[in-house]
Amino acid sequence: QLVESGGDMVQPGRSLRLSCAASGFTFRNYAIHWVRQAPGQGLEWVALISDDGIGKYYADSVKGRFTISRDNSKNTLYLQMNSLRPEDAAIYYCARETFTIFRGVDVNWFDPWGQGTLVTVCS
Amino acid sequence: SSELTQDPAVSVALGQTVRITCRGDSLRDYYASWYQQKPGQAPVVVIFGENNRPSGIPDRFSGSTSGNTASLTITGAQAEDEADYYCYSRDTSGNIRVFGGGTKLAVL
Repeated sequence: QLVESGGDMVQPGRSLRLSCAASGFTFRNYAIHWVRQAPGQGLEWVALISDDGIGKYYADSVKGRFTISRDNSKNTLYLQMNSLRPEDAAIYYCARETFTIFRGVDVNWFDPWGQGTLVTVCS
Repeated sequence: SSELTQDPAVSVALGQTVRITCRGDSLRDYYASWYQQKPGQAPVVVIFGENNRPSGIPDRFSGSTSGNTASLTITGAQAEDEADYYCYSRDTSGNIRVFGGGTKLAVL
């Protein structure tokens, strides 16, 4: 199970930190992602952190402003969001990546997802 | 390339078969996974890899890939299958991940 928290209404330019608490599985064994969905829009991949916290990748739309991190001792994922813009307003989901290799090709999928936390950016 | 392209909307008559497609250069190298999202709910994976269904997903859902196109097929669509469907994969660099724009499925 994944449970997000920290969503709020903030002004443009401000910061916010989201959390995602994991339970029911060995958190340190899995890469975890943030995915967002603006109102009425599609899913947008935001960021990925590897199981050991070393590998971190970001969508171009958030690179340099958002930082993904994790604390495996607390089974918790974070997303530090700085310099927020109106276009960052969305429901933010965390999702566990499950990974295998089939015929020499990586197979990745998200399961489970959290229920999401809402971030609103407006003045 | 970091794009996956889906048709915005598709409709199917109740009980008939529908195919939802996802096109992108990265699909020549990486498998797609497919997600169903109903209003107000988080997405749920329905297909991953070549054609794998998680437990609990009906066997009317199937997947396939040919060249740069991944497809999700629903054989005998039910009213409860009306939802948004998204494909997901890596981009051609292998590190960045990307979703398709989504397909809204209407079951008539």
